[in-house]
Amino acid sequence: EIVMTLSPAALSVSPGERATLSCRASQTISNDLAWYQQKPGQAPRLLIYGASTRATGIPARFSGSGSGTEFTLTISSLQSEDFAVYYCQQYDKWPPLFGGGSRVEIK
Amino acid sequence: EVQLLESGGDLVQPGGSLRLSCAAAGFTFTSSAMSWVRQAPGKGLEWVSSITGSGDSTYYVDSVKGRFTISRDNFVNTLYLQMNSLRAEDTAVYYCARLVASIVPYGAFDIWGRGAMVTVSS
Repeated sequence: EIVMTLSPAALSVSPGERATLSCRASQTISNDLAWYQQKPGQAPRLLIYGASTRATGIPARFSGSGSGTEFTLTISSLQSEDFAVYYCQQYDKWPPLFGGGSRVEIK
Repeated sequence: EVQLLESGGDLVQPGGSLRLSCAAAGFTFTSSAMSWVRQAPGKGLEWVSSITGSGDSTYYVDSVKGRFTISRDNFVNTLYLQMNSLRAEDTAVYYCARLVASIVPYGAFDIWGRGAMVTVSS
């Protein structure tokens, strides 16, 4: 079964700085990867699908890249509302699977 | 307004049953594949089940197969999850989500409800 590994598990970043999260798939998944943001007590929100396409209403500071097994989510200039947990999800192989989550914290 | 609203979460004993509902509004429900995704307390996200827009095809993660049943009523724009033989490890917030997919269940989840808490405990 495919394994999704998200790193780092936690990241401390100052407001205005760049944050980069990595998601690695144990098998190639083409570009069938999504990124989500989840704040405490809230449902997840879709940020990126198709590895690099922003979902409706997502600010341009969020960008996704990669294909095959290596993927990256970049937040170019962190705003206060961006401190949250981020998940990647593959939808190329059975079963649809989320990575373990990466917490972006205020430094 | 685009909205998904879950209901039916509760405390239930191991071996018991529960049915979750998810009322949809603001988008064309009948042509939308739908899913349930759960999150155990303090843990990550786990896809549970998906259903095509017509309801003809359903999909389940192995851990719930034979115990959970996903269904939908397109006349009242509502998604359901019937959960039987519940176990402690089924304790989680259950989210209803719209699945954007060319081939169900392979897609991303673009609309989410607020979730319903299911606690399995004696």
